[in-house]
Parts: sequence; C-alpha cells; structure tokens
Amino acid sequence: GIQVEQSPPDLILQEGANSTLRCNFSDSVNNLQWFHQNPWGQLINLFYIPSGTKQNGRLSATTVATERYSLLYISSSQTTDSGVYFCAVPIYNQGGKLIFGQGTELSVKP
Amino acid sequence: NAGVTQTPKFQVLKTGQSMTLQCAQDMNHNSMYWYRQDPGMGLRLIYYSASEGTTDKGEVPNGYNVSRLNKREFSLRLESAAPSQTSVYFCATPGREPHTTYNEQFFGPGTRLTVL
Repeated sequence: GIQVEQSPPDLILQEGANSTLRCNFSDSVNNLQWFHQNPWGQLINLFYIPSGTKQNGRLSATTVATERYSLLYISSSQTTDSGVYFCAVPIYNQGGKLIFGQGTELSVKP
Repeated sequence: NAGVTQTPKFQVLKTGQSMTLQCAQDMNHNSMYWYRQDPGMGLRLIYYSASEGTTDKGEVPNGYNVSRLNKREFSLRLESAAPSQTSVYFCATPGREPHTTYNEQFFGPGTRLTVL
C-alpha cells in the first residue's frame, strides 16, 4: 500500500524562525491534507492541497504531485505553532480513508 | 453548525468492561470514519461507513464493533476492553460536498480512553 513519510521527525525553533516540513508519498494521490495537532490533541485542518501552492497567513503549502511530495512552510514561527504536524493522503479502495505520516513534532521556544 | 462532535471526551475503563463512543456530524456527508491514535503515531483507521446502513473494516478492527445509526451518527463499541485499546479515538467525515468521497476530511475533538 501507499507509504507516507515525513521529515524531520522533530524540530526545535526559536520564536521568529522559519521552517520547512516535508511529506513524501510512494504513489500518485488524488489529494493531500496537512493537519496541526495542538498540545491539547485537537486536529486542525491546515491545507487541502492536491497540487500547487496555497497560503494562509504565515503558513503555506506546496504539493508537487508528479514528484510525490508536499512541503509545509511556517514563517515567523510563534509558540502557538508548537505541536505535531501531520500530512495524510486518501486511499481510493477503502472509502477514502486517510493514510497518515508519522508526523513532525515542532517545538517553538520563546 | 458544530461540525463533528464526540462523546465522551475522557473515559477510564477496567479490563473487560464495555462502552460505546458516540459521534455525530452535521456536514451532511455520507461517509464517516473511526480512527485511533497511539502515542507517537499518526492515525489508523478502525472502521468506516460509506453510507447509512453500511460499514467496513479498516486497518485495526479487532475488538471493535460499529453502528451507523443514521446519516448523522456513527458509534464505536468496545465489547470487552483491553489495555491494548488505550488510545485516543477520533471520528471524521468529509466536508460539505456529499457527492465526492475524496474531499477534505474533518475530525472531531477525540475521546481519550484508558483501559486499566
């Protein structure tokens, strides 16, 4: 089945720094989602991005479907950005279930 | 417009006890999903329901049963809880276009379950 790999597994930043998180997937996909899981465990939708680039405030994402990767950019990081970032892709023959990567745990220090 | 709601938020069970996790959505989509998240891992699918009256197994269905009560509600039951079922459980449904299966999924707040 499709494999989803994220890097790096952990990241520590000073407030104000920029970062890039990567998501690689082993097969072609119809879409891709990025989530932020905050320290309280809530999963927050960041981007739904099958291809191209999207921006939302300090966050942006780019998916290059032909090369099977997606990037999440966080600029001017804030302590509230801390948490785990997941990417996930759907599987066609199982009702559209999502396959998740292992996540990148981000810690932003004041 | 609450999106996806789950009850309870927290639960502690003893080995062998049973319980039902409830999920409801107001996004009017046919599909609903139950995932579990174990420490340091992404989410894995337990069961899903493509429409009212249908359910199918996911990656980790053993020890669970589900009921799709109606279009809005999808429950997950643990008949005889085991410590290996200690996890955080999330319910999900796709967004607001019911004619497309593979669109954006939205998650409930989760149920944190501990089995002693």
